[in-house]
Amino acid sequence: SSELTQDPAVSVALGQTVRITCQGDSLRSYYASWYQQKPGQAPVLVIYGKNNRPSGIPDRFSGSSSGNTASLTITGAQAEDEADYYCNSRDSSGNQFGGGTKLTVL
Amino acid sequence: QVQLQESGPGLVKPSQTLSLTCTVSGGSISSGGYYWSWIRQHPGKGLEWIGYIYYSGSTYYNPSLKSRVTISVDTSKNQFSLKLSSVTAADTAVYYCARENVGRLPYYFDYWGQGTLVTVSS
Repeated sequence: SSELTQDPAVSVALGQTVRITCQGDSLRSYYASWYQQKPGQAPVLVIYGKNNRPSGIPDRFSGSSSGNTASLTITGAQAEDEADYYCNSRDSSGNQFGGGTKLTVL
Repeated sequence: QVQLQESGPGLVKPSQTLSLTCTVSGGSISSGGYYWSWIRQHPGKGLEWIGYIYYSGSTYYNPSLKSRVTISVDTSKNQFSLKLSSVTAADTAVYYCARENVGRLPYYFDYWGQGTLVTVSS
């Protein structure tokens, strides 16, 4: 089955913009969804589809996609955005998650 | 507000079968448009999709676990369950149940349980 590849760690200065990427062949056929996970908590959906935010997710979170790459952008990162972020998409074997990106807000 | 809650033993012996149940409240598991999924997370690691079931009983499993996984549904109790056989220490993980919204594209997991840690040890 195909894989979804994410950078293991990314950092951003408080108030700045950060992009977290996810690469995989399945992304040419399926949109990614993005999940935020803080220590000891369940994942929370932050972006799905082309660029859709569930109710309650701040508008500083946005998504985009091009070719085999999906991106999650946080514009004006806040301290509370420090977390692990996972992408997810369907593939020929069912469903898959990226390895996760640990975001540090400096 | 839909809520999911995992339940089951927190400790399982090697070679035995891990059994977990997810109870859904605030919505009917028989509603079309959703896959009811199990996902796990090894300590300090990423998320791994295990499989899902539709309310009709149709299932789909991660090929890497397919030979050991059974997911079933009990619509009368609004629950779905996971059985993982022949467990080893490598199956020690936090197990999540989640609802995948598949009514129309794009698909996404919109509700998750809080997760339950299952340790495989003698």
